[in-house]
Amino acid sequence: DGGITQSPKYLFRKEGQNVTLSCEQNLNHDAMYWYRQDPGQGLRLIYYSQIVNDFQKGDIAEGYSVSREKKESFPLTVTSAQKNPTAFYLCASRLGGGALGGTQYFGPGTRLLVL
Amino acid sequence: GQQLNQSPQSMFIQEGEDVSMNCTSSSIFNTWLWYKQDPGEGPVLLIALYKAGELTSNGRLTAQFGITRKDSFLNISASIPSDVGIYFCAGPRVDTGGTSYGKLTFGQGTILTVHP
Repeated sequence: DGGITQSPKYLFRKEGQNVTLSCEQNLNHDAMYWYRQDPGQGLRLIYYSQIVNDFQKGDIAEGYSVSREKKESFPLTVTSAQKNPTAFYLCASRLGGGALGGTQYFGPGTRLLVL
Repeated sequence: GQQLNQSPQSMFIQEGEDVSMNCTSSSIFNTWLWYKQDPGEGPVLLIALYKAGELTSNGRLTAQFGITRKDSFLNISASIPSDVGIYFCAGPRVDTGGTSYGKLTFGQGTILTVHP
């Protein structure tokens, strides 16, 4: 089945530790996105990528990093510089990056908790 | 920047009742999207609206693209327990250069609780 997978479902981070969240899609979509969701709030954009080997900062990129070495993969690293990392992280993909590229489809999410 | 305001923030209804929620903005949007998020899951697209005045249905769901392009409405008829979740409106952002790159602005969500 085609879709977006995120792993792990739950992730625990110790103080000062970097952790990486996985996002894989087999939809052959060009564009991929990372969002952060906090209770009672909408989704906020962390990073996005229109094509392989290219990505741009979103609204809240500080303390995060990404890579896009393959079309189907867009991992997100939460670095120790992110002082409030506890949140629900959602990955999304879209067929194209332009105005006619279609709507975004979301993965099941990863919940990150700080120990 | 572009912001979306959803109301109400939460709703508690009895099974079988109809539900109405809306989303407003101070900026014009050319597309309106409505997503539903089940607890602990990612949002799922319910309805996409592309034209001002458009009225689109998906089963018991009906959504409208406001004629001013600054609002949208979602109605759910004859609610059932599985309608529980958070409903988000969203629209593509437009940068100063006129491109969106598919970036979406989301409302803060309407939490729906349905009592059997």
